[in-house]
Amino acid sequence: TQLLEQSPQFLSIQEGENLTVYCNSSSVFSSLQWYRQEPGEGPVLLVTVVTGGEVKKLKRLTFQFGDARKDSSLHITAAQPGDTGLYLCAGEGLRDYKLSFGAGTTVTVRA
Amino acid sequence: NAGVTQTPKFRVLKTGQSMTLLCAQDMNHEYMYWYRQDPGMGLRLIHYSVGEGTTAKGEVPDGYNVSRLKKQNFLLGLESAAPSQTSVYFCASSLQGQKLFFGSGTQLSVL
Repeated sequence: TQLLEQSPQFLSIQEGENLTVYCNSSSVFSSLQWYRQEPGEGPVLLVTVVTGGEVKKLKRLTFQFGDARKDSSLHITAAQPGDTGLYLCAGEGLRDYKLSFGAGTTVTVRA
Repeated sequence: NAGVTQTPKFRVLKTGQSMTLLCAQDMNHEYMYWYRQDPGMGLRLIHYSVGEGTTAKGEVPDGYNVSRLKKQNFLLGLESAAPSQTSVYFCASSLQGQKLFFGSGTQLSVL
């Protein structure tokens, strides 16, 4: 059983459309991170959110941390083919520094 | 700046063989980690280290051993490989357990 559940598992959209990826848990986290992974490479950190209700924007990407610090979402506006990849969320436990990863959402943006 | 380097990139083993995966980082990070990534299961922590000479078990440690004799290196050993250990292995490092920097992975097949 995954500590962090990501949905959907797969997402395929046309260039220019918007998309949202969700990361949910019954556990509270001290912080939550989002990574993007491209084929044949390791994950690369996109953002860290630490405060309940926090919203961070990174160009066309908007990240939100739930008020209770149990869930998060990633919204991409006007998706581009370069946004294609596996998006992973990872939560940092309250008592330790180990990250628990979700299974990921594979996003494909068609030109 | 190389970051995190993993060797080898690909390896095929027969059941029962042994091998060692090498991870090297040049960022003077204290923390290092070994993860395995399997389809639909995200990244699972095998072992980690919070400093030179220290190691600890992660979520799925059985069948693996690690050593951190030098701060910059973290070795992952498989003493007697099993088909269930077929996976992509990622090494990561961090300064204090937050932002993780990943290597590009080792694809291991055990026949």
